Amino acid sequence: QVQLQQWGAGLLRPSETLSLTCAVYGGSFSGYYWNWIRQPPGKGLEWIGDINHRGSTEYSPSLKGRVTISVDTSQNRYSLNLNSVTAADTAVYYCARGRGPGSSIWGQGTMVTVSS
Amino acid sequence: IQMTQSPSSLSASVGDRVTITCRTSQGIGSYLNWYQQKPGKAPKLLIYAASSLQSGVPSRFSGSGSGTDFTLTISNLQPEDFATYYCQQSYSTPLTFGGGTKVEI
Repeated sequence: QVQLQQWGAGLLRPSETLSLTCAVYGGSFSGYYWNWIRQPPGKGLEWIGDINHRGSTEYSPSLKGRVTISVDTSQNRYSLNLNSVTAADTAVYYCARGRGPGSSIWGQGTMVTVSS
Repeated sequence: IQMTQSPSSLSASVGDRVTITCRTSQGIGSYLNWYQQKPGKAPKLLIYAASSLQSGVPSRFSGSGSGTDFTLTISNLQPEDFATYYCQQSYSTPLTFGGGTKVEI
């Protein structure tokens, strides 16, 4: 079955760039939206943005200008870049598949801490 | 689209029937999903399109509603159901989540 595996740096200094990658195993990359969602410690879920296999993106207005989501269909993976991070960006970051009918497949999550 | 989920927490017992509500700031048809999250784990999709049960999810979970008012019902609450539940609208971007409901013993 389809699995998502994500990785990236877990500790950043303020003003650095957060970079995470999510690889899709066991299924097609085409025909789906691929999301990034985050969850600050002890808080709720926040949608960051998504991308489809054609590279068309949508971003949260609250992060627009700092966020870029890109796709590499040849390797069945997609990536998140968030620049100029602050402590407010400290969160568990998840990749997840799906939009309209919900996200039924999620990555394992990556804890990213921003601290000087 | 703003999501108002209530209550933020509730206490219940095994065997109880639990109802969680989600209200949206504008009509979203049936583009409403429900998730369950346990500590340290990724959310799990329970209900999509307001009332469709995700494959593998027990039938004690049910969803209803359309437009702006939605409900998640857990009948015959089981020990493994103690968790936090979130609603999400997928009608338009940015996708948004409710604030969560923690179901405690």
